[in-house]
Amino acid sequence: NAGVMQNPRHLVRRRGQEARLRCSPMKGHSHVYWYRQLPEEGLKFMVYLQKENIIDESGMPKERFSAEFPKEGPSILRIQQVVRGDSAAYFCASSPRVGAWTDTQYFGPGTRLTVL
Amino acid sequence: AQSVTQLGSHVSVSEGALVLLRCNYSSSVPPYLFWYVQYPNQGLQLLLKYTSAATLVKGINGFEAEFKKSETSFHLTKPSAHMSDAAEYFCAVRGGGTSYGKLTFGQGTILTVHP
Repeated sequence: NAGVMQNPRHLVRRRGQEARLRCSPMKGHSHVYWYRQLPEEGLKFMVYLQKENIIDESGMPKERFSAEFPKEGPSILRIQQVVRGDSAAYFCASSPRVGAWTDTQYFGPGTRLTVL
Repeated sequence: AQSVTQLGSHVSVSEGALVLLRCNYSSSVPPYLFWYVQYPNQGLQLLLKYTSAATLVKGINGFEAEFKKSETSFHLTKPSAHMSDAAEYFCAVRGGGTSYGKLTFGQGTILTVHP
């Protein structure tokens, strides 16, 4: 059973460009979470999605950031007009369909975004 | 609101010595607690989790943690450190209210193991 897959692993963008980060959850998992790890900081929750629904986006910046998890295909975290402060590691996690409090979230290897 | 405090951003031990990584939590609801490990340039791997079934939780690679409600603590221990344990460790608490999907992480503790 393949783990959570993220691509690209490394992404370089210039200020003002768009960044698209992809996440394929583990097989059978329909809950996806995005976290951001800024330099010298811990991981911060961004958004929680189920298929075609945003459940909790309390950690998403109000502007430029959006996320989706369509019925078919991977989850996408989109950052428009990137700025240097967006440089970070972005991790995706998934959990099984049950979605209970005790469910383990399985993490992908992350996408490291560098904004020049 | 949920929060986690990890005491000590860096811990250094000798190979074969006891490992103790400290975690204190704050939660408005009965907590579900997790320890993850992160190796350089990799994602997070679950070590163990507390889900109220037993206060002493055993995880992978010889790690264990004890939930102490009176002390609001969930410290991670391993009797004998191995060189391969060198990594960054994160304690996390599962969200409260309607935010049950969210994990709130501590700042992390970098463990160094000396020969």
